[in-house]
Amino acid sequence: QTVVTQEPSLSVSPGGTVTLTCGLNSGSVSTNSYPSWYQQTPGQAPRTLIYTTNIRSSGVPDRFSGSILGNKAALTITGAQADDESDYYCVLYMGSGVRVFGGGTKLTVL
Amino acid sequence: EVQLLESGGGLVQPGGSLRLSCAASGFTFSTYAMSWVRQAPGKGLEWVSAISGTGGSTFYADSVKGRFIVSRDNSKSTLYLQVNSLRDEDTAIYYCAKGGGYDPFDCWGQGTLVTVSS
Repeated sequence: QTVVTQEPSLSVSPGGTVTLTCGLNSGSVSTNSYPSWYQQTPGQAPRTLIYTTNIRSSGVPDRFSGSILGNKAALTITGAQADDESDYYCVLYMGSGVRVFGGGTKLTVL
Repeated sequence: EVQLLESGGGLVQPGGSLRLSCAASGFTFSTYAMSWVRQAPGKGLEWVSAISGTGGSTFYADSVKGRFIVSRDNSKSTLYLQVNSLRDEDTAIYYCAKGGGYDPFDCWGQGTLVTVSS
């Protein structure tokens, strides 16, 4: 069974930089996985941040960036702000129309 | 402005059925794949199903295959999810999302809550 892995929790200081990763329990993530990233605050619908590895969605600040680091997809937040404190989810395309979400990363800004 | 508005959620007994709807506006509905994503209380996001723009191809997560049916009416710009044989673990907010397959989920509805309980 394919499992998409994310750090359960991370913390960052205001103004700092943090990298969230998205991997596979078996195999590597590449651009062919079309990784995308979503931000969700409690009680709200998800918001699209990054798609197709590194394309920022409309209106997303450029402090959010996506990449492939080693065998994982990565979301980097540079100059973190208090309102970046959220849950972050990645999703990978597995082929045959199937997408699988990671378990999410709870980011704390403190 | 792209908008997605889900409806049809509610309280249903185990083994019951519901039909969820998602009314879309602000884009050419028939040219985009659409998806359903759910979130159980206090849990993460789970991709449930997707359908191509024409409706000719459908895809399901293993957890719902054989019980859920996705469909669309392009003349009404509406996406549907027929949820059958419901189980306690199907309790979740069901989100409609524009995109699917290779295409990212680039717009989300506010969700509709399905509660399965006796």
